[in-house]
Amino acid sequence: AQSVTQPDIHITVSEGASLELRCNYSYGATPYLFWYVQSPGQGLQLLLKYFSGDTLVQGIKGFEAEFKRSQSSFNLRKPSVHWSDAAEYFCAVGTTSGTYKYIFGTGTRLKVLA
Amino acid sequence: DTAVSQTPKYLVTQMGNDKSIKCEQNLGHDTMYWYKQDSKKFLKIMFSYNNKELIINETVPNRFSPKSPDKAHLNLHINSLELGDSAVYFCASSPDLAGPQETQYFGPGTRLLVL
Repeated sequence: AQSVTQPDIHITVSEGASLELRCNYSYGATPYLFWYVQSPGQGLQLLLKYFSGDTLVQGIKGFEAEFKRSQSSFNLRKPSVHWSDAAEYFCAVGTTSGTYKYIFGTGTRLKVLA
Repeated sequence: DTAVSQTPKYLVTQMGNDKSIKCEQNLGHDTMYWYKQDSKKFLKIMFSYNNKELIINETVPNRFSPKSPDKAHLNLHINSLELGDSAVYFCASSPDLAGPQETQYFGPGTRLLVL
């Protein structure tokens, strides 16, 4: 069955520190992968997405993610975190079998210490 | 201009009541979705519509009935509300259902609390 796992429920980093949020997927075909961010009380905003080509994808707000097929991972990274990055981060896979839809991970809540 | 808007933002109601949530998108998209986010932040798709036609119904109880009067609107009506319906409901839209590469654009959510 298709699934997305985000192993870390909560992560706390200091402002200016680097960040890596983990995402593992289970999907038989070529995955279409997404990272979304949900700020408190807000809807979800797309950070970046991967379909094919270069496995290192650049997104908005200084985020990047690397697709590693051998590890079934699509981890999100940022070299230097800002206090405004505190939010909930969701990884999702877009399925192509049957009807197209997203399957979301359970999210990682990021806390940034001043 | 808000791309995907939802009303109301908050909804508090009693068990057994019927309520509706409205969603509108001004992006010219063909496809709209309803998602439910539970108390643990888990997001799950409920329905999707493409050009006013139901495409996905993820085994949602019959008490939930989506209605799409035109492709810019997708409303969600819930009958006989139950405590377990308390959640945040997100509307989203995308340009084309047939393309898994299409980005989905989300509304701000409607926080439903059933007492």
